[in-house]
Amino acid sequence: EIVMTQSPATLSVSPGERATLSCRASQSVSSNLAWYQQKPGQAPRLLIYGASTRATGIPARFSGSGSGTEFTLTISSLQSEDFAVYYCQQYNNWTFGQGTKVEIK
Amino acid sequence: QVQLQESGPGLVKPSQTLSLTCTVSGGSISSGGYYWSWIRQHPGKGLEWIGYIYYSGSTYYNPSLKSRVTISVDTSKNQFSLKLSSVTAADTAVYYCAREEAYCGGDCYNAFDIWGQGTMVTVSS
Repeated sequence: EIVMTQSPATLSVSPGERATLSCRASQSVSSNLAWYQQKPGQAPRLLIYGASTRATGIPARFSGSGSGTEFTLTISSLQSEDFAVYYCQQYNNWTFGQGTKVEIK
Repeated sequence: QVQLQESGPGLVKPSQTLSLTCTVSGGSISSGGYYWSWIRQHPGKGLEWIGYIYYSGSTYYNPSLKSRVTISVDTSKNQFSLKLSSVTAADTAVYYCAREEAYCGGDCYNAFDIWGQGTMVTVSS
């Protein structure tokens, strides 16, 4: 099983600042990686697929990069609605990372 | 647009079988091109993929749950269902149904693009 490890577990950021979230795979997943955002009491929402392609309707401040085993989700200027938990997920056997909580600093 | 809605008992006794149904509206399961999955989230924890079904009936399950999981599809009702047998308290979770789409342009990349709202299932006597 491919294990996905996200860091940090919690990221404290001020509104308007840049947030950088990391996701590492225990073995190469090529670009078969997606990012999701989850707010309390809600289902996850797809942000990024193919490691770097924004899903429909996702603002340009969200960007993804990486391939192989190292991936990054960047939120260029945090808005109030962006404070949430973010998960990475690899497609090879559908495992998710444990999540990074982005909280207000 | 396509929407998914989970339904089923919110309370299941230990050793019994958990049964949930996902109703798809705004689109047809039979149209093909998508995989229909179940995913769960233990309280305060991360996400765990349970398995998927294609409209043809082909399935694939998480190896860690495979011995207890059955996913089926009813195209006439535009629904797919989850059965998880011999449940314990460790199966207490929010259960989501989700659609997996393949985004193809040269290479294909899959992701869960539409999710149901989730349903909480508690295993307790």
